[in-house]
Amino acid sequence: AQKVTQAQTEISVVEKEDVTLDCVYETRDTTYYLFWYKQPPSGELVFLIRRNSFDEQNEISGRYSWNFQKSTSSFNFTITASQVVDSAVYFCALRRAGNMLTFGGGTRLMVKP
Amino acid sequence: EAGVAQSPRYKIIEKRQSVAFWCNPISGHATLYWYQQILGQGPKLLIQFQNNGVVDDSQLPKDRFSAERLKGVDSTLKIQPAKLEDSAVYLCASSLDGLAGTPINPGPLLAQYFGPGTRLLVL
Repeated sequence: AQKVTQAQTEISVVEKEDVTLDCVYETRDTTYYLFWYKQPPSGELVFLIRRNSFDEQNEISGRYSWNFQKSTSSFNFTITASQVVDSAVYFCALRRAGNMLTFGGGTRLMVKP
Repeated sequence: EAGVAQSPRYKIIEKRQSVAFWCNPISGHATLYWYQQILGQGPKLLIQFQNNGVVDDSQLPKDRFSAERLKGVDSTLKIQPAKLEDSAVYLCASSLDGLAGTPINPGPLLAQYFGPGTRLLVL
């Protein structure tokens, strides 16, 4: 069975602070895909990144970076110099090849000015 | 490029009534998904279509929920009769998976792109 755990239900930071959102997953598959989605107050899920299980290279995109560690089954997401517009619920998700997405419970990030 | 379209955006009904939601995926996307997102939780897949065939409906409460994608493009999700616990946001998503010639390492092709959702309140 697949499972995604986001232990932090809510995080509050002050603007310009760095923040890391944790994601731990469980799967028996050797090939799988990990995702991060952002859900702003408008409700629409916005795709941020996809990572293959066979590619552990970390990725940076502007203020966003992702740390994938297969040894600890973690796929953490860091926002550098957070901004108020980053306030949203962030979901980590796991997908087996050709199969459905399993979402974590989400982490609500509040960035205060 | 137009995103995933859903309607209506909001719906309020009484329990035991029926309701239907509509979704039009991104043009060319073979796979369509319906998710249920209860307040404070992550989305849960209800049903997955590839073209007009059902791939996975294991979490669809088939006694009251039904979905179809007759022409392999847009889709409808119906609840009949609705219960109080069906109050949630119903999200539709689509992805390019399933097209012939999809690269082995397709980059964003395996990403699911979501619509704005339909917020359902059952009273």
